[in-house]
Amino acid sequence: QKEVEQDPGPLSVPEGAIVSLNCTYSNSAFQYFMWYRQYSRKGPELLMYTYSSGNKEDGRFTAQVDKSSKYISLFIRDSQPSDSATYLCAMKRTGGYQKVTFGTGTKLQVIP
Amino acid sequence: GAGVSQSPSNKVTEKGKDVELRCDPISGHTALYWYRQRLGQGLEFLIYFQGNSAPDKSGLPSDRFSAERTGESVSTLTIQRTQQEDSAVYLCASSHTWQGGAGELFFGEGSRLTVL
Repeated sequence: QKEVEQDPGPLSVPEGAIVSLNCTYSNSAFQYFMWYRQYSRKGPELLMYTYSSGNKEDGRFTAQVDKSSKYISLFIRDSQPSDSATYLCAMKRTGGYQKVTFGTGTKLQVIP
Repeated sequence: GAGVSQSPSNKVTEKGKDVELRCDPISGHTALYWYRQRLGQGLEFLIYFQGNSAPDKSGLPSDRFSAERTGESVSTLTIQRTQQEDSAVYLCASSHTWQGGAGELFFGEGSRLTVL
């Protein structure tokens, strides 16, 4: 079993839809939960991160962490064609150097 | 400012040949990482450098893979006797060294390797 599981999609939605992207994980020691966005033929870039449980909002993006269920989500409101990309969840433990473990990524297409 | 730079952006090679991939991190970033991304798969960790030492090499898949880093600067990933399963995008990332925090990784655009 992989430490981080993510549905690869692809996910296709109409412009303006609310998008929900999710990951599950098995390592209860993970404390930092990150979402990276990767456009085609580009490197991933950090979208947002959350420490421990709870919600974090940044514009149209909301990240949620439920540590009791080992489940994290990224919601995109009013989705735009420019949001079309692959979204990778990533996680790490606290303390000094800790390896970042990535999910496989979900490919999202927002149709105009 | 300049981001992480990788070269070559594309490399096609024949099975059995050696290849070298280069990464130039963001100036001042002491931490450097190599990841591999196969088609339709996530990022697979290969190796982590802190300065020019590599405290975590746990992701290198075989002894055909090696990497080195000069000071807190350029790193090269070398794959010897390439195999078709080595075909992938090799991504380099750098970051500040944090005692805590999420430690944002800044990625290059990758080197796309195709082994025929």
